[in-house]
Amino acid sequence: DVKVTQSSRYLVKRTGEKVFLECVQDMDHENMFWYRQDPGLGLRLIYFSYDVKMKEKGDIPEGYSVSREKKERFSLILESASTNQTSMYLCASSPVQGVGGYTFGSGTRLTVV
Amino acid sequence: GDSVTQMEGPVTLSEEAFLTINCTYTATGYPSLFWYVQYPGEGLQLLLKATKADDKGSNKGFEATYRKETTSFHLEKGSVQVSDSAVYFCALSNTGNQFYFGTGTSLTVIP
Repeated sequence: DVKVTQSSRYLVKRTGEKVFLECVQDMDHENMFWYRQDPGLGLRLIYFSYDVKMKEKGDIPEGYSVSREKKERFSLILESASTNQTSMYLCASSPVQGVGGYTFGSGTRLTVV
Repeated sequence: GDSVTQMEGPVTLSEEAFLTINCTYTATGYPSLFWYVQYPGEGLQLLLKATKADDKGSNKGFEATYRKETTSFHLEKGSVQVSDSAVYFCALSNTGNQFYFGTGTSLTVIP
């Protein structure tokens, strides 16, 4: 069964910590995405990548960075976590020109205290 | 730019009721349209899709028809079950590489 795996379901971090959220897909997809999901705001795109070592800013990149050193892995980095980054984070992947749609991970619920 | 608007929730229905969740879109060209479902505590799953005008996507009793003339892709189910309680997202993709999502509609089905 094809899969997108996010390393943690729940995380609690302190303000100012550097936080790494990991996402791995086993479908050999070129495209990978990070979204955050907040009540009333739906899904908002943070960063995406169409290839190894390539990254593009989405709609809300401030306070985040990403890394894609290998095709299957796309990491989201919060350089200095803040309470307004408390959210559900969703990773997704798709093939190039993927009219079949995204495959999502189960999400990581991050709480910054 | 491309965007999706879907009806606000929450929606509460009794079991076996008819469900409609409205979705309209704005896009250049000929986008593909999708419905995703998110069950509590989980990520999003693809429910159904349609890739061209007049196509009907269907899955698990849910249906949606791609209406280009009204730029709509409304989700329907004839008889909902308690297990259908979830959040439903309408989405579009023009290039296949990036998707635009609606804000989600929460559905609760009561026995």
